[in-house]
Formats: sequence, structure tokens, C-alpha cells
Amino acid sequence: QKEVEQNSGPLSVPEGAIASLNCTYSDRGSQSFFWYRQYSGKSPELIMSIYSNGDKEDGRFTAQLNKASQYVSLLIRDSQPSDSATYLCAVKWDGNQFYFGTGTSLTVIP
Amino acid sequence: SQTIHQWPATLVQPVGSPLSLECTVEGTSNPNLYWYRQAAGRGLQLLFYSVGIGQISSEVPQNLSASRPQDRQFILSSKKLLLSDSGFYLCAWRGAYEQYFGPGTRLTVT
Repeated sequence: QKEVEQNSGPLSVPEGAIASLNCTYSDRGSQSFFWYRQYSGKSPELIMSIYSNGDKEDGRFTAQLNKASQYVSLLIRDSQPSDSATYLCAVKWDGNQFYFGTGTSLTVIP
Repeated sequence: SQTIHQWPATLVQPVGSPLSLECTVEGTSNPNLYWYRQAAGRGLQLLFYSVGIGQISSEVPQNLSASRPQDRQFILSSKKLLLSDSGFYLCAWRGAYEQYFGPGTRLTVT
């Protein structure tokens, strides 16, 4: 059974702080990992992808992958009110399907 | 660059009425295409995916069906809508590794 789990939150951080979002998955055979941002009423937008263990940085975003512990995280540095959204973690195993967590709601307080 | 379109953007339909949602992708050929539903406050539920013309895999055997009449066109249909069909319907296409979503159709069944 392939499952992706996220803490639904809500997670609140003050503006300028680091927001840390976590995701765990059930099967070690997974290959690809993704973070999406979804604003209220909008469709998910891909913000990060990571495929190998370690950190991957893109601007204020850092994705961290630890396959041995079966978790992937997203760090948002210098959080801004515009970062307030729901963040979805997605995992792809072999085959054509992507498995999504239920999302973590983030609020950045000015 | 690739673009994904969905229409209509919003739809209000009575129970028992038929449904047809359309998704088209530009800028790529033979993409894997997906239909998801997101109920209010819930995660993404995979409904169907397609790896080519006429090839449909169903993940949710309900009153919905999907068709892929052309390479870059994916259609979601129903003969009789239920109240439980209300939600945000998202079409997505798969790139080399990642998945990208269209703008979505918000369906309200009354």
C-alpha cells in the first residue's frame, strides 16, 4: 500500500521565519518526490522536485530527502505572507501514478 | 512551452444531469494525462489516467468515465451527476518526471 502522509496543520510562522513542512511515505521503492503549493481556490503549482538523498535549494526553498528514513521536507526561508497556502507532497513510484498527501496549511503572519 | 487548458472554469449542475469536462494540452505530444478530484478541504483523488489515445485506466469505479479521443485531449464525463460529485476537478499532464496541473473546473451539483 503506497501512502503519503503530511501533518495537516495549520502551521503558523511569523514573517521572516523559517517554515518547515514534513512528509513521510510508505514504500522505500519510491523514485521521485515533489512539493506543490496550492493557493485557496487555485490549482496546485509545482515548486520543487527532488530525486536523490540530500538537499536541493531553489531560492528561498530547500527540499530535503532522506530515503532511509522515508521522509522528505520543505524549508521556506524568510517566509512571506504570500507563502500562505497549502503545500502538497507528492511521491512517484514505478508506473504512471503520483501519490499525494492531504497537504499542510501554512499561514505566515505579518 | 507547454500549456494545459480546462473548461469550463466553473459549473453548476442539478443532480441527475450529464457532465462533460474537457482538458487539452499544447506544446507536447503523447503526454500522460490525468483527472483528479479534490473535494472541499480534502486531498487529491486520482480518477483516471491515460498513456495514449483510447487508453484509459480507472482508479475510481463510480458514475464517471473518461475518454481520450485525440492525443492531447482528455474528457471526463458522467451520465447522471450525484451530489457527491461536487468538487474541484483537475487535469494534469506528466513531463519527463514531474506533473503539471491545469487551472481546474469547480463543479457544484445542486
